[in-house]
Amino acid sequence: GAGVSQSPSNKVTEKGKDVELRCDPISGHTALYWYRQSLGQGLEFLIYFQGNSAPDKSGLPSDRFSAERTGGSVSTLTIQRTQQEDSAVYLCASGGAFQETQYFGPGTRLLVL
Amino acid sequence: EDQVTQSPEALRLQEGESSSLNCSYTVSGLRGLFWYRQDPGKGPEFLFTLYSAGEEKEKERLKATLTKKESFLHITAPKPEDSATYLCAVQAWSSGGSNYKLTFGKGTLLTVNP
Repeated sequence: GAGVSQSPSNKVTEKGKDVELRCDPISGHTALYWYRQSLGQGLEFLIYFQGNSAPDKSGLPSDRFSAERTGGSVSTLTIQRTQQEDSAVYLCASGGAFQETQYFGPGTRLLVL
Repeated sequence: EDQVTQSPEALRLQEGESSSLNCSYTVSGLRGLFWYRQDPGKGPEFLFTLYSAGEEKEKERLKATLTKKESFLHITAPKPEDSATYLCAVQAWSSGGSNYKLTFGKGTLLTVNP
């Protein structure tokens, strides 16, 4: 079946602009996660959605970052007033209701100039 | 705080030369240990989940094992197509219910030369 999809695959923006990154999870998966992978660093947890429950936003690095999930499916990660240190690969993953294996999408490569 | 350390950072093998990758972890209570493979420009691809010490899982030329302090990914007679970055991650039991977070190591970059 179809895996996790993310768009855009690449995004170049100027410092100070806002960007939106989209994630379509695997059909039927109730859990959705966002991670960030910076050069030379491990994947860093950002935010977690599970069904209709309140999201766990504990990994968001600043209040410039926000995310929403509409209808329990598609999710959008928004970064406001982008900074050069936001340049990274943003990965989305989805999984089942029991928080087991997480399946990752291809990522969005963000470059802030 | 949960910690994952992978070694070596990079490993270069000749085709057919077996070896092992190490993942050492520190976690309050292990819920699961995950191995992923990541090719350049792509997202991590799930390989294995291990839940308890002594558990082993195999897939083609790969075998993952788990102890109370570390996990090994054994690669038997590797082929050039096994070249990738291998990521290890742990998921911990949390009293607050946040059992889902994966804490990743920085990965081992494996290159298999023909």
